[in-house]
Amino acid sequence: DSGVTQTPKHLITATGQRVTLRCSPRSGDLSVYWYQQSLDQGLQFLIQYYNGEERAKGNILERFSAQQFPDLHSELNLSSLELGDSALYFCASSRRQNTEAFFGQGTRLTVV
Amino acid sequence: DAKTTQPPSMDCAEGRAANLPCNHSTISGNEYVYWYRQIHSQGPQYIIHGLKNNETNEMASLIITEDRKSSTLILPHATLRDTAVYYCIVRAFSGGGADGLTFGKGTHLIIQP
Repeated sequence: DSGVTQTPKHLITATGQRVTLRCSPRSGDLSVYWYQQSLDQGLQFLIQYYNGEERAKGNILERFSAQQFPDLHSELNLSSLELGDSALYFCASSRRQNTEAFFGQGTRLTVV
Repeated sequence: DAKTTQPPSMDCAEGRAANLPCNHSTISGNEYVYWYRQIHSQGPQYIIHGLKNNETNEMASLIITEDRKSSTLILPHATLRDTAVYYCIVRAFSGGGADGLTFGKGTHLIIQP
């Protein structure tokens, strides 16, 4: 158990819908990362937050957004969902920026 | 981040040491070598990281060549549960910058009974 909690574990939704994925980092970790893993793309970095502020952006679509709240939990919002958004979404946290990151068990999103 | 090159797959017999190589010939002086693994569809698991000295923890050892252009992750006594995709990542530890870990395709290590 990495100490990073992601909810829900599974999510099935229809195209065009909007979903919110939640991540609770390890106690004391200030940095949160979001990753997407689809079968043909491998692990893709989406976005990073540090102590509530956005710090880095990767291959995140404009339909996706995220935020980190004062209690340090983070949410990833995915809107106007398409079939191709079906993937595993992982959250990771680390004590500070650029220290080792610990991953949650992911949310499996299926868009039908 | 500098690029890394890993073999796509490797086999190892259970109980033997698994040695996973990684080439990172363009590594910069401020870049660390990190290793993660991912067991089928689970979240990636941090294993170890190092700068230039060899490192050991309860999971593995990391051997970095003197010129830092390559490294080897050693699992001393591989078990079936070590079957996973292993990722070698080089990453700056600048503190001021920020970026996500960049995962390549990794090495699929298969432990044979």
